[in-house]
Amino acid sequence: DAGVIQSPRHEVTEMGQEVTLRCKPISGHDYLFWYRQTMMRGLELLIYFNNNVPIDDSGMPEDRFSAKMPNASFSTLKIQPSEPRDSAVYFCASRTTGAWGEQYFGPGTRLTVT
Amino acid sequence: GQQLNQSPQSMFIQEGEDVSMNCTSSSIFNTWLWYKQDPGEGPVLLIALYKAGELTSNGRLTAQFGTTRKDSFLNISASIPSDVGIYFCAGQWNQGAQKLVFGQGTRLTINP
Repeated sequence: DAGVIQSPRHEVTEMGQEVTLRCKPISGHDYLFWYRQTMMRGLELLIYFNNNVPIDDSGMPEDRFSAKMPNASFSTLKIQPSEPRDSAVYFCASRTTGAWGEQYFGPGTRLTVT
Repeated sequence: GQQLNQSPQSMFIQEGEDVSMNCTSSSIFNTWLWYKQDPGEGPVLLIALYKAGELTSNGRLTAQFGTTRKDSFLNISASIPSDVGIYFCAGQWNQGAQKLVFGQGTRLTINP
């Protein structure tokens, strides 16, 4: 079975540009999580969805960040406008209701904002 | 808020040695998980623990859910080069919480 799929794997953009990261969760998983990983702060949860509905976005750093999940097989994380401090690796993870805590991560998108 | 303290932060060992790392919390968790992250990849789930005192193995890996529910341990026996990476512990407060709290990671380096 395919795991969590993320695209692009690498993104380099200039400050002020809009960035869209994409995620396809594992089929049948009804929870989707977006994380950010940096050396300084480790893995931080940004937002998570249940059945396509955003449940907790308290980790979203500011209004420049937004996330959507239009259907069960697709989610986006958008940064507009991007800033150099947004440079990080962004992970998407998914899990199914019956599995306590067992989140499965995608390969990540390495974002560099210059 | 809930925090996990993972130690050691890094380990440098010889191939074939056993490895031990642990994670402690100021709060009780009802689920503990251990992940491994290779360079350029996402964390991969190694072991999940659901019950205080539980001891679970996955090949050469063994993890335990501490009896106080505030700690967990991961052991790797007879390390091999592919064990190199960063190991993360994660805890979940309860089934309704959904969120995972992650430790800072233990970076394992193996000298051949």
